Amino acid sequence: DGGITQSPKYLFRKEGQNVTLSCEQNLNHDAMYWYRQDPGQGLRLIYYSQIVNDFQKGDIAEGYSVSREKKESFPLTVTSAQKNPTAFYLCASSTRTSGRTEQFFGPGTRLTVL
Amino acid sequence: SQELEQSPQSLIVQEGKNLTINCTSSKTLYGLYWYKQKYGEGLIFLMMLQKGGEEKSHEKITAKLDEKKQQSSLHITASQPSHAGIYLCGASSDRGSTLGRLYFGRGTQLTVWP
Repeated sequence: DGGITQSPKYLFRKEGQNVTLSCEQNLNHDAMYWYRQDPGQGLRLIYYSQIVNDFQKGDIAEGYSVSREKKESFPLTVTSAQKNPTAFYLCASSTRTSGRTEQFFGPGTRLTVL
Repeated sequence: SQELEQSPQSLIVQEGKNLTINCTSSKTLYGLYWYKQKYGEGLIFLMMLQKGGEEKSHEKITAKLDEKKQQSSLHITASQPSHAGIYLCGASSDRGSTLGRLYFGRGTQLTVWP
């Protein structure tokens, strides 16, 4: 079955540690995205990539880093510079089909920094 | 950037009642997406609207995009407990010529009680 996988589902880290969230898709989609969701805030874009080896900052990129070495993978690193990293993180991917660019979402990773 | 305002923020209805959720954009909508989310899970795509005046239905859920393409509504007929969750609208940032980002509203939390 095609889809997007995120791992792990729950992640706990101590303050000051970097942590990497995994996102893999087997949909053969060109574009991938990382969003952060906080209660009552909706989704805020962190980074996105439209093609391998290229990515753009979103609205809240500070304290985060990404890489896109393979089409299938778009890992997100939450660095110690991120002041309030506890949140629900969602990965998505999309491709162009008949002019539509709907995004498909993974199940999310809930990160808690202690 | 594009801002999406959703109303109401939360909605509590009795099973069997109809309800409407609105999404208003600060700019012309080139593509409007409706998603549903269960708490702690990823987003599930519901419908996408592109043309002014367009209306789509799936089971008991109908979405419309107004003629001026700056507002969309999601209407649920005869609500059921399975409709409960967070409904989010998302909008394309451009005319769809690139695999660009989506802007999201803050979501509407729907509770359906028996």
